[in-house]
Amino acid sequence: KAGVTQTPRYLIKTRGQQVTLSCSPISGHRSVSWYQQTPGQGLQFLFEYFSETQRNKGNFPGRFSGRQFSNSRSEMNVSTLELGDSALYLCASREIDLYTEAFFGQGTRLTVV
Amino acid sequence: DQQVKQNSPSLSVQEGRISILNCDYTNSMFDYFLWYKKYPAEGPTFLISISSIKDKNEDGRFTVFLNKSAKHLSLHIVPSQPGDSAVYFCAASALRGSARQLTFGSGTQLTVLP
Repeated sequence: KAGVTQTPRYLIKTRGQQVTLSCSPISGHRSVSWYQQTPGQGLQFLFEYFSETQRNKGNFPGRFSGRQFSNSRSEMNVSTLELGDSALYLCASREIDLYTEAFFGQGTRLTVV
Repeated sequence: DQQVKQNSPSLSVQEGRISILNCDYTNSMFDYFLWYKKYPAEGPTFLISISSIKDKNEDGRFTVFLNKSAKHLSLHIVPSQPGDSAVYFCAASALRGSARQLTFGSGTQLTVLP
């Protein structure tokens, strides 16, 4: 089985722009979660989608949004980018949302200049 | 409010010795705990887990200990190898609504010196 695939791997954007990141989960996995990793902050939970519905949401501003498609692929969008949004964005998939072990993609490194 | 804390940002250990990574949590609703390992430019990979009904789980060189009364868990690596050098994240899981959510600590950078 292919693993979790995130595209693009690297991205440079200008402050004020918006960005869309993509995640393809492991085949058969219906739950997709997004995390933001910054130095010293660990992995901060953004949101989780299951069967196209947002099940949980972390403490991030409304500029951060996401969606999930019928094939379980997910996208997250950040609008009006700020310098502080520079981070590694990780996507993780689970077979169902009641399982605990999550499988991560390699992440998208976003740099806002 | 950090519900899962890893107070040591870094740890250096000599090859062959024991590495002990610590994690504290505050939310008593957490009932499942996991450790993930992360190499640079890669996503975290699952290492070992423990349910709150146990106090120890072992897998090869890796053992996780859980002290529920102290809300503390630790990961022991024996013997440590240079390839173990990575960032280790502690994670705790709780049922939130109808889905489980993982809460991660800030990570500990382990360096195993040859």
